[in-house]
Order: sequence, then structure tokens, then C-alpha cells
Amino acid sequence: AQSVTQLDSHVSVSEGTPVLLRCNYSSSYSPSLFWYVQHPNKGLQLLLKYTSAATLVKGINGFEAEFKKSETSFHLTKPSAHMSDAAEYFCVVSAGTALIFGKGTTLSVSS
Amino acid sequence: NAGVTQTPKFRILKIGQSMTLQCTQDMNHNYMYWYRQDPGMGLKLIYYSVGAGITDKGEVPNGYNVSRSTTEDFPLRLELAAPSQTSVYFCASSYSPGTGNTIYFGEGSWLTVV
Repeated sequence: AQSVTQLDSHVSVSEGTPVLLRCNYSSSYSPSLFWYVQHPNKGLQLLLKYTSAATLVKGINGFEAEFKKSETSFHLTKPSAHMSDAAEYFCVVSAGTALIFGKGTTLSVSS
Repeated sequence: NAGVTQTPKFRILKIGQSMTLQCTQDMNHNYMYWYRQDPGMGLKLIYYSVGAGITDKGEVPNGYNVSRSTTEDFPLRLELAAPSQTSVYFCASSYSPGTGNTIYFGEGSWLTVV
């Protein structure tokens, strides 16, 4: 069975500093992995996805994630945080017909 | 390009009332989903459909019903609303999620049961 664990429920950074949101997954076969972002009172927007091509995946707004099979991880990073990055982030694994969501990480960005 | 459209955006229901959340997509996707989102819990799958006429239960189906008479529409019915159904509901669709195709989400429906 597939599952996903987001290791931090809340991450706080200062504007201009790096962002690291951690995600571990469990899958019985080669997974598809996604990061979605949700701004307050908004829907979900796809940041990036991994589908067994390049292990380093680049997404929108300067975010990227690296698929590490040996560590079963898919951490999301950004070199320099911006105030507009403050949001909820979800790591997601594809499980056949549906997606399994992590519980989310709230990213706070201070000036 | 409308994508996934769900209505209403906000609704207050009294305990025991019933209502239908509407969802429609214009991308000719076979797969459609209903999720609910509760604080700190991520999104939980309520029901999903792999094509017109085919529906199946997700993780939290109790208290809900769905139908899929057309490719475009996937309404979610709440019968006898309960306070535990206070949540944010998201409809989504995809071409073929198992192969990594993107799942597209609606803007969400905020439901309060009082």
C-alpha cells in the first residue's frame, strides 16, 4: 500500500533564506509523486511532479524536488523564500486510481 | 478554460438537511474525485469515478452518495447532514492518474453544518 509522511507540520523561514519541506513515501512499486500548494481559502495548485524520468524535478515559482529511491524521500526545496510562498504544502503519492495526501506542511515566511 | 468547476462555494446547512455539491469538468477526463479537507488532516478521498456509470468508495464514504451519469458531471450528495460533515470539499479530475498525469482541483466548497 502507498502512504506519504510529511515530517514537519510547520516550517518557519525568513524571506530570502532557503526552504526545505520534507516528505517520505512508501510504495510497493515505482511511484508518481507530486507537490501541491494551497494558499489560504484557495484550491490546490500543482507545483511539480515526478514520474520516473529525471530524479531532480523543477517546478513553478523556483521550487524543485529530488526523488531519492534509496531514502524513499521527495523533499521540496527553494533557494530563497518569498513572502508569497507562505501557504500549505502537500506531498502526494499516486496510488493507482487516486492520490494519497500527506497531512500538509504550513510554511510561514517572515520579513 | 474552465477546468474543474464546483458549486456552491459556501453553504450553511442545518443538521438533518440534505444538499448536493455540483462538480463539472470540461477536459474530457474519465477520472473524477471528491475529497474532504479537515484541519491538519490533509485530504481524504470520499468517492471516485473512473468513467460514466462507474463509481467507487474512497476512504471516508459514510454519509455521502455520488452519481456519474455523464463524463462531465460528478455531483456529491449529502443526506441527513451532521456536524461531522463540516469541512472543505474539493472535486478533482484527471486523465489517468496512475501514470502521473496531473489531477486538477476545483476551488473548493466550504460547508458548515449547524
